[in-house]
Amino acid sequence: GAVVSQHPSWVICKSGTSVKIECRSLDFQATTMFWYRQFPKQSLMLMATSNEGSKATYEQGVEKDKFLINHASLTLSTLTVTSAHPEDSSFYICSAKTGGHGMETQYFGPGTRLLVL
Amino acid sequence: QKEVEQDPGPLSVPEGAIVSLNCTYSNSAFQYFMWYRQYSRKGPELLMYTYSSGNKEDGRFTAQVDKSSKYISLFIRDSQPSDSATYLCAMMTTDSWGKFQFGAGTQVVVTP
Repeated sequence: GAVVSQHPSWVICKSGTSVKIECRSLDFQATTMFWYRQFPKQSLMLMATSNEGSKATYEQGVEKDKFLINHASLTLSTLTVTSAHPEDSSFYICSAKTGGHGMETQYFGPGTRLLVL
Repeated sequence: QKEVEQDPGPLSVPEGAIVSLNCTYSNSAFQYFMWYRQYSRKGPELLMYTYSSGNKEDGRFTAQVDKSSKYISLFIRDSQPSDSATYLCAMMTTDSWGKFQFGAGTQVVVTP
């Protein structure tokens, strides 16, 4: 199956700093990428949807100025958590979608664990 | 109320037993129902999905959807220790392609 990677797999940062997380589709071109966040014992929650070359669409309640998403190419999307605070500590996971409409066309990355001190 | 409810477990079963997992939901517009398996420190991988109501079988896995009750199930027959993982249900409407609503996931432990 298709492979989606994320980098870094985990990161610890100080409060107030910015953190960039990369999501790459390794063997396919992703028309759309999705960013999710998961707090302990809770569901994966969709944060935003990004299409290559256009602005991301954010879900209600997600601050677009805090969570900057860039989808500059068909194989790379980045999520930047700006001025991170301890409440941003979470598991961030991306998914990438190939062409077509089947569920098999969406693949998830392994996730990035962020801890803000 | 959450749109999708799933018991987080853990659910512990002996090897060879049937694992029974389920989710309930509140949004009647959901038409696609997915089950994902997630191993520790890995991304979710799609096990199977169903469109609208009905049953679907794939090897040891059977998915059921009861839209009248807003209830979906996943059964794993002849469970193996390698089935130990977190199982996530996810749902989607037809006009929000790719925007999944996930359950919290159920941790399953199959003991030898």
